[in-house]
Amino acid sequence: EAQVTQNPRYLITVTGKKLTVTCSQNMNHEYMSWYRQDPGLGLRQIYYSMNVEVTDKGDVPEGYKVSRKEKRNFPLILESPSPNQTSLYFCASSRTMGVETQYFGPGTRLLVL
Amino acid sequence: RKEVEQDPGPFNVPEGATVAFNCTYSNSASQSFFWYRQDCRKEPKLLMSVYSSGNEDGRFTAQLNRASQYISLLIRDSKLSDSATYLCVDGGSQGNLIFGKGTKLSVKP
Repeated sequence: EAQVTQNPRYLITVTGKKLTVTCSQNMNHEYMSWYRQDPGLGLRQIYYSMNVEVTDKGDVPEGYKVSRKEKRNFPLILESPSPNQTSLYFCASSRTMGVETQYFGPGTRLLVL
Repeated sequence: RKEVEQDPGPFNVPEGATVAFNCTYSNSASQSFFWYRQDCRKEPKLLMSVYSSGNEDGRFTAQLNRASQYISLLIRDSKLSDSATYLCVDGGSQGNLIFGKGTKLSVKP
């Protein structure tokens, strides 16, 4: 089954404790991205990757890092999480950048205390 | 800054009603647009792509007006299962999607 998976689905952590949210897709997609969704603010892009070893900042990259060492994986790293990073995070992938349909993962709910 | 503006709603309509959502975009160079549907606490899923003059898929019709830079979504014969948040998306001129904040629809029996 074609899908985007994220782990963990739910996470409660404390300020400053490094964490990684994994994202994996099995569709051989070149383009992957991370979004956060907050009430009243909609979906905002954090980082995106057009292919292996190619990443770039989205609209709200501060406090996040990403890597794209393999085509299928695109982990999101919070080196020192803060309460303002409490949010619902979605990973997405598409065959190419732009007009292609984006497939979203199920989301990761993060609470930073 | 490129933006997409949507009427946030909520739209509360009875079953069988016809409902229309509008969305405006600021990037005149954008070539493609989408409507995504998002159920509560779930991931967005593509509902329709909107190219050139518009698109129709069953009860759903999407229209694009380039001159006025707006997109609309019409839902005919609303079902209870249509209750969701509808996200208007600008495909952008450089490829990155720009999401509106969404319009919430609630279809009542």
